[in-house]
Amino acid sequence: QKEVEQDPGPLSVPEGAIVSLNCTYSNSAFQYFMWYRQYSRKGPELLMYTYSSGNKEDGRFTAQVDKSSKYISLFIRDSQPSDSATYLCAMSSNYGQNFVFGPGTRLSVLP
Amino acid sequence: NAGVTQTPKFQVLKTGQSMTLQCAQDMNHNSMYWYRQDPGMGLRLIYYSASEGTTDKGEVPNGYNVSRLNKREFSLRLESAAPSQTSVYFCASSASRGYWRNQPQHFGDGTRLSIL
Repeated sequence: QKEVEQDPGPLSVPEGAIVSLNCTYSNSAFQYFMWYRQYSRKGPELLMYTYSSGNKEDGRFTAQVDKSSKYISLFIRDSQPSDSATYLCAMSSNYGQNFVFGPGTRLSVLP
Repeated sequence: NAGVTQTPKFQVLKTGQSMTLQCAQDMNHNSMYWYRQDPGMGLRLIYYSASEGTTDKGEVPNGYNVSRLNKREFSLRLESAAPSQTSVYFCASSASRGYWRNQPQHFGDGTRLSIL
């Protein structure tokens, strides 16, 4: 079992849809959770970061952590074609220890 | 503000050749990282530097060497390239305190390396 799992997609949705991207993990010590967006032929770009459980909202993006289920989500409201990219989750335990990326989910938002 | 700059963007090598990938950041970050990204494998850490003069091995260091030349620059060297090192290489940096201690924050746009 991989330490962090993501559905690779591709996930195709119509413009304006609500998108839910998810990661599951096995290490209960993880406390720091991040989401990166990666456009084709570009480097990952930090999108959201959270600590421990709960929700965090930034514009159209909401990051959610459920540590009891070892499950994190990124929600995108009113999705736009410009949101088409690969989304990588990442997590770590104490200050970067055991830092690991998920393999990524490819999202396509169709106009 | 350029952020993290990597050179070259593309390179084709023959097996056994050597080359150095360059990375520079202008954010005054202490921590710098080298990752490789392969299909289905995600990003894997090759080497990490917490500060000028220090380097540590990551998950996949074999076949690579690094040099933290100064606070801005962190280079990755392949001494004798092998086809298994065909990949996209990313450099990253982060502040070395608070949430971002030891965690990559800003990435460059990568070097696409093919080894024949």
